[in-house]
Amino acid sequence: QKEVEQNSGPLSVPEGAIASLNCTYSDRGSQSFFWYRQYSGKSPELIMFIYSNGDKEDGRFTAQLNKASQYVSLLIRDSQPSDSATYLCAVNTGFQKLVFGTGTRLLVSP
Amino acid sequence: DAGVTQSPTHLIKTRGQHVTLRCSPISGHKSVSWYQQVLGQGPQFIFQYYEKEERGRGNFPDRFSARQFPNYSSELNVNALLLGDSALYLCASSFVVTGELFFGEGSRLTVL
Repeated sequence: QKEVEQNSGPLSVPEGAIASLNCTYSDRGSQSFFWYRQYSGKSPELIMFIYSNGDKEDGRFTAQLNKASQYVSLLIRDSQPSDSATYLCAVNTGFQKLVFGTGTRLLVSP
Repeated sequence: DAGVTQSPTHLIKTRGQHVTLRCSPISGHKSVSWYQQVLGQGPQFIFQYYEKEERGRGNFPDRFSARQFPNYSSELNVNALLLGDSALYLCASSFVVTGELFFGEGSRLTVL
């Protein structure tokens, strides 16, 4: 079982819709969780982090964490074509060792 | 404010050569981490340094080494390059050991 699993996609949504990206992790001791956005040929950009169970909202982005189910999700409201990118879920397993999933490719069509 | 800066941005080497990649963290950040990202995969942890001491090492061979300098900049060295070392090498910095990571633009290494 991979430590962090994501559906590779692509996830296709129309402009203005809600995009829902999901991630599961295997280490129950993980304490912090991150979502990075990566455009093709570029480096990952931090967009959200969450430490506690529940929801955390930042603008059009909402991160959701359920430690009991070992599940993290990212919702993007009012999706824009500029949101088209690969979204990487990362889990902190200790001492800043982030374990990344392989990423979900999101395509937002105009 | 300047973000994490890495150099060189692109480089081509041949098998058996060695390479040195450099990273300057965000001002005030004392922790630097190195990741390798192969095409189509997520970044993989190589090293973490904090206050010039190695705090973590990923599952990479001894051909990979790193260090952090008194000004918190860092170098990643890879010896005896293999074709499989071709990847994007990412440096990330954070204020504290458990803080959020901010990545530089990366150094894209091609080994021929």
